[in-house]
This record gives sequence, C-alpha cells and structure tokens, in this order.
Amino acid sequence: QITLKESGPTLVKPTQTLTLTCTFSGFSLSTSGVGVGWIRQPPGKALEWLALIYWDDDERHSPSLKSRLTITKDTSKNQVVLTMTNMDPVDTATYYCVYKKINYPFDYWGQGTLVTVSS
Amino acid sequence: DIQMTQSPSSLSASVGDRVTITCRASQGIMNYLAWYQQKPGKVPNLLIYAASTLQSGVPSRFSGSGSGTDFTLTISSLQPEDVATYYCQKYNSAPHTFGQGTKVEIK
Repeated sequence: QITLKESGPTLVKPTQTLTLTCTFSGFSLSTSGVGVGWIRQPPGKALEWLALIYWDDDERHSPSLKSRLTITKDTSKNQVVLTMTNMDPVDTATYYCVYKKINYPFDYWGQGTLVTVSS
Repeated sequence: DIQMTQSPSSLSASVGDRVTITCRASQGIMNYLAWYQQKPGKVPNLLIYAASTLQSGVPSRFSGSGSGTDFTLTISSLQPEDVATYYCQKYNSAPHTFGQGTKVEIK
C-alpha cells in the first residue's frame, strides 16, 4: 500500500525559504521508473505541478518556478525534500506530494499541507 | 511548453444529465492525458488515464476519449456525488501541466 505524507512549516514569512518533506512508504525510490513529485493548489484555485525527481536522480521542474525550486531525495529514509526560495504571499497554497511512474499519471497523493506566507 | 485548456470553466446540470468536459492541448500529447476529480475539501483523485482507461474503482458512468490534442471527459448520468472540480493533465513529459479545472454543480 502506497502512502505519502507531507511535513513542514504551516507559516513562513515573505522572502524566507520553504522546506517541505515528503515521507513515503509502500515503494522504493530506487526502483526503476518510479518518481515522487510536488503539486500545489492556492486556495480556491487550480492545481499547479511544481517538480519531480525520479529513481535515477533525473529532476524536472516547472519552468516558471525553476529558479526557486530544488528537489532532492534520500532513498534510505524514503523521503523527498522540496525547497522553494524567496517565498511570497502568492505562494500560499496546499502543497501535495505525489507518486508517479514513467508514462503513468500521479495515482497516489499525500493528504496535502497548507502553507501560508505572511509577515 | 504545452498548454492545457479546459472548457467550460463551470457547468450546472440536473441529476441524470449527460455532462461533457473538453480539454485541448496546444501540441499533440498522443494519449498521455489524465483526468482527476477533486471533491470540495478533498485530495484530487485519478479518474482516467491514457485518455480513456478508467482507474480501478471509478464508476462506469465516467468515460474519456480523444488523442493528440483534443480530449473529452463524459459523465453519462450525473449523480449528486459527482459534484466536484475536474482537471485534465498531460503526463508524458514535463512540465506536467494541468488544465484550469471545470467545476460541476447540480442544477
């Protein structure tokens, strides 16, 4: 059974760096074809894909946010970490961790974590 | 980058109505198109992938079609539990862009 869970701060100040951790179980990020990514959703708005890291360390980022995003994995801990620099109030959103296999969609989602950016 | 455009942005229909939502990709994506359902306050749920393959457990009143740039999600007989926002997404290659969503309500 695949599960993912996001953790991190619920409140960050403008200009700060956000660090979110996804802790997962039921699969290994060393298995060929497997990836873990992040998607966010501002309150009342649409889903936005952010970043993805695959078993082979291949990383993909949203072009509009690429300069602000870093995604890393720790296979031994079953964790993926997303950092986003220079946070702004428009980055207030629920951030979801998601599971993906190559050529398949995001079929497992974490429960999401609401991050508010405010001074 | 490929853009995904959904229409309409919202719709209101009666229970039992046939509902159709369209998604257009700005370039061809073969059949690497997924549909997600997000009920109010809930996590998005995968409904359909490969444009027309129903995810396990999804009611058969949901169906998908299309290939290339034009795709359709159909609910053959709208039920009260189908009230949700529906998103399409391309997933073959990054960026894995979503459509802007279609909110479905009961009239």
